[in-house]
Amino acid sequence: KAGVTQTPRYLIKTRGQQVTLSCSPISGHRSVSWYQQTPGQGLQFLFEYFSETQRNKGNFPGRFSGRQFSNSRSEMNVSTLELGDSALYLCASSSLGGTFYNEQFFGPGTRLTVL
Amino acid sequence: AQKITQTQPGMFVQEKEAVTLDCTYDTSDPSYGLFWYKQPSSGEMIFLIYQGSYDQQNATEGRYSLNFQKARKSANLVISASQLGDSAMYFCAMRGSQGGSEKLVFGKGTKLTVNP
Repeated sequence: KAGVTQTPRYLIKTRGQQVTLSCSPISGHRSVSWYQQTPGQGLQFLFEYFSETQRNKGNFPGRFSGRQFSNSRSEMNVSTLELGDSALYLCASSSLGGTFYNEQFFGPGTRLTVL
Repeated sequence: AQKITQTQPGMFVQEKEAVTLDCTYDTSDPSYGLFWYKQPSSGEMIFLIYQGSYDQQNATEGRYSLNFQKARKSANLVISASQLGDSAMYFCAMRGSQGGSEKLVFGKGTKLTVNP
């Protein structure tokens, strides 16, 4: 079974631009979560989707948004990019939603650099 | 709210020796899950092991075992017979039972270096 895939793997943008990142979960998984990883802040939860509904959102500005499609694929969008948005963006999927014992499987991440 | 503390920014171990990576947590949830992930330099987070708050026995997965001490709120990862390929960042994470969310809260991580 194929793992979580994320595209693109690397991205370079300039301040003020917007960017869309894509995540395809493991086949059959309906829950997708997004995390931002930076050297200073570590791993921070962005948002979580289950069956096309956003179930939870982290403490990020409204410039960060996401959505999930009927095939469980998810996208996240960052508008008006800032230098501080440079990070590794990780997507994770799981088979069940909302259970504390369910492991999440992560993709390879998208490394975004904002110049 | 949940909090994970990993107090060892870096650890060194000789190949074939065992190493313990520390993790303490704090939560008010009655039930919760504790997870360990490995992150090589490539960036992908690799799931290693899981421990549930109500599990009576410590979890084991091959060379990985979790030393779970609920009263002390600690969930240390033990890697036996270290290999050069174990060199990576290791993250402890937890998820609470309340709210029905998949959100994982991560610690700052420990960088493990295995020396030949």
